[in-house]
Amino acid sequence: SQQGEEDPQALSIQEGENATMNCSYKTSINNLQWYRQNSGRGLVHLILIRSNEREKHSGRLRVTLDTSKKSSSLLITASRAADTASYFCATSPGGSNYKLTFGKGTLLTVNP
Amino acid sequence: DGGITQSPKYLFRKEGQNVTLSCEQNLNHDAMYWYRQDPGQGLRLIYYSQIVNDFQKGDIAEGYSVSREKKESFPLTVTSAQKNPTAFYLCASSLGGGSPLHFGNGTRLTVT
Repeated sequence: SQQGEEDPQALSIQEGENATMNCSYKTSINNLQWYRQNSGRGLVHLILIRSNEREKHSGRLRVTLDTSKKSSSLLITASRAADTASYFCATSPGGSNYKLTFGKGTLLTVNP
Repeated sequence: DGGITQSPKYLFRKEGQNVTLSCEQNLNHDAMYWYRQDPGQGLRLIYYSQIVNDFQKGDIAEGYSVSREKKESFPLTVTSAQKNPTAFYLCASSLGGGSPLHFGNGTRLTVT
């Protein structure tokens, strides 16, 4: 079953603009992770936020987590053409930390 | 360089044949995973292994089998019982439950 759902499904922006992607989930979680996938490649881990954290930064990435709304957002600032990829959220539900569940992803296109 | 190697990148088989996908890691990770990705979809967990000589079914284990005889290796066999085997298969590893996953670059299997 897919717990996380990203929104929007696709996003197209110009280089230099900010990109915001959202993720909603259904059950309680231990942590939430964001991954990037370039076309035809494996996923690359971007950032992990624990259930007791509200915000986390890594370079141009900013992730927020609202456990009361069961939602998270990923903000990419000053986007570059190289940021073009699919972005997935993944949740680790309580009870089994090994069963990471992925959403369907947001396809981000950054136009030069 | 440490990482996960999946081979081959592309694999073609006739319907009714079993096929084994290779996954090797040199990250010294205890946990390993197999995910399946279909076009426009998120990842679905097939099997995972927390430690050598142990593995558990994921959400879509029917028609698949795995073994974990060595820490660095976690091969996946797609059997003839799998009704829709054509997909992109991703192997991953992690230090433990809830830790970020490191992915290989996938094997695209086509069964005709």
